[in-house]
Parts: sequence; C-alpha cells; structure tokens
Amino acid sequence: GENVEQHPSTLSVQEGDSAVIKCTYSDSASNYFPWYKQELGKRPQLIIDIRSNVGEKKDQRIAVTLNKTAKHFSLHITETQPEDSAVYFCAAINYNQGGKLIFGQGTELSVKP
Amino acid sequence: DAGVIQSPRHEVTEMGQEVTLRCKPISGHDYLFWYRQTMMRGLELLIYFNNNVPIDDSGMPEDRFSAKMPNASFSTLKIQPSEPRDSAVYFCASRATGFNEQYFGPGTRLTVT
Repeated sequence: GENVEQHPSTLSVQEGDSAVIKCTYSDSASNYFPWYKQELGKRPQLIIDIRSNVGEKKDQRIAVTLNKTAKHFSLHITETQPEDSAVYFCAAINYNQGGKLIFGQGTELSVKP
Repeated sequence: DAGVIQSPRHEVTEMGQEVTLRCKPISGHDYLFWYRQTMMRGLELLIYFNNNVPIDDSGMPEDRFSAKMPNASFSTLKIQPSEPRDSAVYFCASRATGFNEQYFGPGTRLTVT
C-alpha cells in the first residue's frame, strides 16, 4: 500500500525567511497530493493541493511542487510570518483505488519574530 | 452548511468505561473517515465508510474499538472497555465523490484515567 514519508519533523525559521517541507510517496499511481495545516488545538485544514498532471501550483505565499519521476512533492512558504507556525501534513491518494488519504508524519513549523 | 459536527468535544472517563463518539458529516458527502491523533503516532486512519458501508477498518487497533454508520448523516465510534492508552484526539472527516477536499470536524479530546 501507499506510504508517505515527511521531513523534517520540526523546522524553525526566522520571520521573513522561507520554509520548505518535503514528502516522498511510494505508490506511483497516486494522483492527488494535498497539504493540511493544523494550528494548536484546531482541526487540520487544507491549504493547497496538487494533482498528478501538474508540476507546480502557487497560492500567494505558498507553493507546492511535484516530481512524479522521483515520487516526491514539497511545500514552500515564502516570507514566513508568526501565524504560519503550525503543524503541516502532506498526504497522497490514488482516487482510482478508493478514498483513503495517506498522511505523512507531520512537520512542526515555528516562525520566530 | 455547518461543516462536520462531532460530539462531545471533550470526554473524560475512567478506565473500563464505554465511550461513544459521534459524528455528523457534511450533507451530501458519501465518504466518512475516523482518525486518531496522538503525539507519538501522529494522525492515524482508523476506519472509513463509503455510502454507509465500512470499506477499510485495518486501522482499528483492536476489538475494543467499533464503528457504525447507520445512515448517511450519522456515525459512531465506540470504545469498550476504554484504557488510558486510548487517550487522544479523535477526528471525523468527510468528503464527496468527485471532489478532492476532505473536511475535518473539530475533534473529540478523549482522556481515560
């Protein structure tokens, strides 16, 4: 079955710097890759996603890139702000084989003012 | 729509007691997921349903855990008997076929003493 590895587990950056979180997946048939942000005590919420037929997607300060050949995808946050501090989860799914998202282990991002 | 609704939001119980967690998915969503989140194990998928039918319960830790979905608007996760190691935040999530985003409920924080 699918397995998703996420790195790093913790990441600390200065306000204004960029942050990059990386994930690898094992099932080459996976075709949808969402990223969720979970603030302390809150639920995970979708912040950006990418489908397998797209290599990059941007939404203001966040972007996601996908390398299907290498089976990895990354989240990029530019000009980080203290409110970006949270746990970020990547996930992968092959919608052709059912509805189960496989999540990475999470990255705790801390943005220091 | 009010989003995914879970109750109770907090539950404190003694070891050996039965615990029932409840979830109402977003209207029209045909997939329902139960997750458990702990610091040690991250976000684990316990079971998911499609059209009220359990599809994959491979994440259910043991026979003490059971889940039902008697209709499209209600699901329960039951733990009997509960143990201290069951202490965690339990999330319910739902999704509609043909749409990518999976929506999480606010979670139930369970403490077993």
